[in-house]
Amino acid sequence: GESVGLHLPTLSVQEGDNSIINCAYSNSASDYFIWYKQESGKGPQFIIDIRSNMDKRQGQRVTVLLNKTVKHLSLQIAATQPGDSAVYFCAENSHGNQFYFGTGTSLTVIP
Amino acid sequence: ETGVTQTPRHLVMGMTNKKSLKCEQHLGHNAMYWYKQSAKKPLELMFVYSLEERVENNSVPSRFSPECPNSSHLFLHLHTLQPEDSALYLCASSQEARAYEQYFGPGTRLTVT
Repeated sequence: GESVGLHLPTLSVQEGDNSIINCAYSNSASDYFIWYKQESGKGPQFIIDIRSNMDKRQGQRVTVLLNKTVKHLSLQIAATQPGDSAVYFCAENSHGNQFYFGTGTSLTVIP
Repeated sequence: ETGVTQTPRHLVMGMTNKKSLKCEQHLGHNAMYWYKQSAKKPLELMFVYSLEERVENNSVPSRFSPECPNSSHLFLHLHTLQPEDSALYLCASSQEARAYEQYFGPGTRLTVT
């Protein structure tokens, strides 16, 4: 079956530092990946996505890297801010409406 | 706000009760989803409605019954739940052809006593 996992359940970073959140997936047929951010008391919010034909995609202060060889996905947040404190999920899709989500990494930004 | 609202935000119910969760989207989408989020577990897709027809039912127990009367509204009817059903229930919507771009509501925190 599908499995999407995260290497660390929690991550603490100093404000202003860069954050890196990792995700591993097992389905080599996965062709679309998304990172979500979930703040306390809210639903997941789309951050950035990447297709399997890309290795890197950049957004505003965020970069997603995809390594298909080792089935690894990472989210990099530049100059982390207190508002970035949240749980971050990766999700992958190989077909249809079905997305498989990881368990999440809780990011805490220390002022 | 994401344009997806859910009510109630919190619900406590006994195992013999019947209750319903409501979701409404104001985004003009034509696909809606129910997810279950339990502590320390991945988000689980329960049901998908596309163009008001159910297209996914991921082996969800029959004590959960979805209803999609129109493209803007989605309900989850609950009856004879178990304590392990306590979780955050999230609704999401998208355009049917853009399932990768889902917008989530804030969820209903359900506690079954």
